[in-house]
Amino acid sequence: NAGVTQTPKFRILKIGQSMTLQCTQDMNHNYMYWYRQDPGMGLKLIYYSVGAGITDKGEVPNGYNVSRSTTEDFPLRLELAAPSQTSVYFCASSYLEVAYNSPLHFGNGTRLTVT
Amino acid sequence: AQSVAQPEDQVNVAEGNPLTVKCTYSVSGNPYLFWYVQYPNRGLQFLLKYITGDNLVKGSYGFEAEFNKSQTSFHLKKPSALVSDSALYFCAVRDVDDMRFGAGTRLTVKP
Repeated sequence: NAGVTQTPKFRILKIGQSMTLQCTQDMNHNYMYWYRQDPGMGLKLIYYSVGAGITDKGEVPNGYNVSRSTTEDFPLRLELAAPSQTSVYFCASSYLEVAYNSPLHFGNGTRLTVT
Repeated sequence: AQSVAQPEDQVNVAEGNPLTVKCTYSVSGNPYLFWYVQYPNRGLQFLLKYITGDNLVKGSYGFEAEFNKSQTSFHLKKPSALVSDSALYFCAVRDVDDMRFGAGTRLTVKP
C-alpha cells in the first residue's frame, strides 16, 4: 500500500532553473494538496485540487503552478527557482475535503535547495 | 481566519513520565482540531481529531487530547512516554478548504 508517493526526495537547483515535483496517490482520493514546510513556521498551503481538472490557490501560491489531469497525479511546477523557494515540500491527499474534517495523508516530502 | 499556536518549541520528558504538548486555538464558530506527528525525513501522520462530543479524544499510539473550550486549548497527552515518541508534533485547525498548522513542538523523550 504505497499511499502518497513523492519524487524526487532531494534536489538542488540553481536560481532561475525550473523543475517539477511529482506526486501520485493510489487511494483514489479526490482531494490533493501541496504544502511547504519551513523551520519554525509549520506548513503553508501552496495549491490544492478537489478533483481532476480543478485546482485552486492556497495561502502561498506565488512562483508555483499545478495541474491535475488525473485523480492520481498532482505535480507542482517551479518555473524560475528563487532562494526563497528553498524548503521541504509535502504533497497530501484526503478522501473528503478538509471542510468535512477528513484527515490528510502525507507523502515523505521533497527537500529542495535553491542556490 | 482560524489559527492555532503551539507555545513551546521543545518539550523534554523522561521515559515513563506523562507528557503534554500544548496547543491553543483561535476560531470563529466551532473548532475542528487535529494533531499530527512527524518523524525524521517523513511526512506528517494523523494522530487524532476533535469535531464534537467528548472533550477527551483518544488517538493512535496511546495518545489522547483534551479539548477545553473555556481555555481555548487542545493539549496532546500521553500517560507514559516512550523513547520512540520522540518526534515533531503539529496541532492544526480546519479553515474552509485548508488545514492551518501550528509551528510545531519537538518532543524528546530521554531514557
